[in-house]
Amino acid sequence: EAQVTQNPRYLITVTGKKLTVTCSQNMNHEYMSWYRQDPGLGLRQIYYSMNVEVTDKGDVPEGYKVSRKEKRNFPLILESPSPNQTSLYFCASSFSWASSSYNEQFFGPGTRLTVL
Amino acid sequence: TQLLEQSPQFLSIQEGENLTVYCNSSSVFSSLQWYRQEPGEGPVLLVTVVTGGEVKKLKRLTFQFGDARKDSSLHITAAQPGDTGLYLCAGPISGGSNYKLTFGKGTLLTVNP
Repeated sequence: EAQVTQNPRYLITVTGKKLTVTCSQNMNHEYMSWYRQDPGLGLRQIYYSMNVEVTDKGDVPEGYKVSRKEKRNFPLILESPSPNQTSLYFCASSFSWASSSYNEQFFGPGTRLTVL
Repeated sequence: TQLLEQSPQFLSIQEGENLTVYCNSSSVFSSLQWYRQEPGEGPVLLVTVVTGGEVKKLKRLTFQFGDARKDSSLHITAAQPGDTGLYLCAGPISGGSNYKLTFGKGTLLTVNP
């Protein structure tokens, strides 16, 4: 089954304790990205990756890191989480990107993170 | 600055009613997408509109892309409780080395039986 998986689905942690949220897709997609979703603010892009070893900042990258060592995986790293990073996080992938792209974004099920 | 403005933010209607939600921008987009998100799940693509003036239908849902490619609308005919969800519009932003996707804040639709 074609899908984007994220782990963990739920995570409660404390300020400053490094964490990684994994994301994996099995569709051989080139483009992957991370979003956070907050009430009243909508979905905001954190980082994206055009392909292996190519990553770039989205609209809200502060406090986050990513890596793209393999095409299928795109982990999100919070080196020192803070309470303002409490949010619902989504990983997404699409086949590729073009200036007139209408490629479908496939979203994972989400990771609900609480930082105390 | 929100590039895509959606309205209304909330909408609660009775089963069988018709409704329209809007996605507006001051910027021109090469395409716009509409997603629906149900509680506890990620957004799922409904449609992509590419050509100015384009109209696409998906059963009881009708999507329109403005002639100037700055706005889009979603019209639902005879809404059903299964249409309940968060409707999001999204558009690509590319220029230089940027290849981002921007979303509106969404319209939360509740269809009551």
